[in-house]
Amino acid sequence: ILNVEQSPQSLHVQEGDSTNFTCSFPSSNFYALHWYRWETAKSPEALFVMTLNGDEKKKGRISATLNTKEGYSYLYIKGSQPEDSATYLCASSAIQGAQKLVFGQGTRLTINP
Amino acid sequence: EAQVTQNPRYLITVTGKKLTVTCSQNMNHEYMSWYRQDPGLGLRQIYYSMNVEVTDKGDVPEGYKVSRKEKRNFPLILESPSPNQTSLYFCASTKLIIAGGITGELFFGEGSRLTVL
Repeated sequence: ILNVEQSPQSLHVQEGDSTNFTCSFPSSNFYALHWYRWETAKSPEALFVMTLNGDEKKKGRISATLNTKEGYSYLYIKGSQPEDSATYLCASSAIQGAQKLVFGQGTRLTINP
Repeated sequence: EAQVTQNPRYLITVTGKKLTVTCSQNMNHEYMSWYRQDPGLGLRQIYYSMNVEVTDKGDVPEGYKVSRKEKRNFPLILESPSPNQTSLYFCASTKLIIAGGITGELFFGEGSRLTVL
């Protein structure tokens, strides 16, 4: 089973501060890396899907980078707002079994006003 | 509106009483998948389907069955539920590229919270 790790498990950040967290995955046979945002009582929503080493993607104040050679991705949030409070999930798949997306445990982000 | 619809959203049942959680998508997606979410664990894949009549086991398939008779529907069947199947269940779907890997975003249903007593 592919092992995907996220750190930290939880994070409290002051409103207006920027923050980032990590997703680690096996670098061998890498196929794709996904980031999702999951608010309480709602369903997870896609932020980014990345496949190429060095990929950087941005959506508003949120951006992500991908390093497939060393097996990690960073998610950055610039100028955190209370509405950014959510659990952020990453998921990875390997070339063998590219239809199986394995999720990390998530990083629970709380923005303090 | 593009969506994935799950039913029921909440269910309390007893051990051994067969139940089905339905999942339907209106986006003509080839790929559909079921996940369960438990405290302290990430989303764990139960079963997935690449297209009609094509299903395969995920990482935690024991105690579950699925079928894919139509492209839009992917029901999850618990033949004899047990308390360790108490969980939050998500259905998801996406379009598949030719090579068959998932490079498109997953669209999730709203979740079904199941309690087995």
